[in-house]
Amino acid sequence: GENVEQHPSTLSVQEGDSAVIKCTYSDSASNYFPWYKQELGKGPQLIIDIRSNVGEKKDQRIAVTLNKTAKHFSLHITETQPEDSAVYFCAAINMNYGGSQGNLIFGKGTKLSVKP
Amino acid sequence: KAGVTQTPRYLIKTRGQQVTLSCSPISGHRSVSWYQQTPGQGLQFLFEYFSETQRNKGNFPGRFSGRQFSNSRSEMNVSTLELGDSALYLCASSGDRGPTGELFFGEGSRLTVL
Repeated sequence: GENVEQHPSTLSVQEGDSAVIKCTYSDSASNYFPWYKQELGKGPQLIIDIRSNVGEKKDQRIAVTLNKTAKHFSLHITETQPEDSAVYFCAAINMNYGGSQGNLIFGKGTKLSVKP
Repeated sequence: KAGVTQTPRYLIKTRGQQVTLSCSPISGHRSVSWYQQTPGQGLQFLFEYFSETQRNKGNFPGRFSGRQFSNSRSEMNVSTLELGDSALYLCASSGDRGPTGELFFGEGSRLTVL
């Protein structure tokens, strides 16, 4: 089955700096890669996703890149703000082989702290 | 539109007891998934239900079970509780059966086993 590894487990940056979180996956058939943000006391919330037919996707200060050959994908946050402080989870799934949104395989999370 | 509602939010049990957690998905959503979140293991998939049928199951022992009702509400049950079952249990609903659906998580039920 799929296995997703996420690094680093904790990340501290100064406000305004960029933050990068990296994930690797094991199943080359995985074709959907979402990123979720979990604020303290809340459930995770989807912030951006990418499919395997796309190499990069951007949404304002957030971008995700995917390298299918190396089987890794990354989350990039530019101009970080204190409200970006949260735990970020990457995930992967093969949507074409019985996969569905419901059984995503998640990384173990990265706790991002943005210092003002 | 109301979000995903999980009850109870907090509960304390002792070893050997059983527990039932409830999840009400977003209105109209037919898929409900359950995840266990612990500091060491992150988010681990338990099972997914769609239209009252278990569609996928994670790698958890048979003590963990679930069901979904005709109104899409779901319950999960853990029997013979162990200390290691202490965790945040998250429920998520999705309106899409296909790849474009987004998971909407509730705030979780935090279980402490003493």
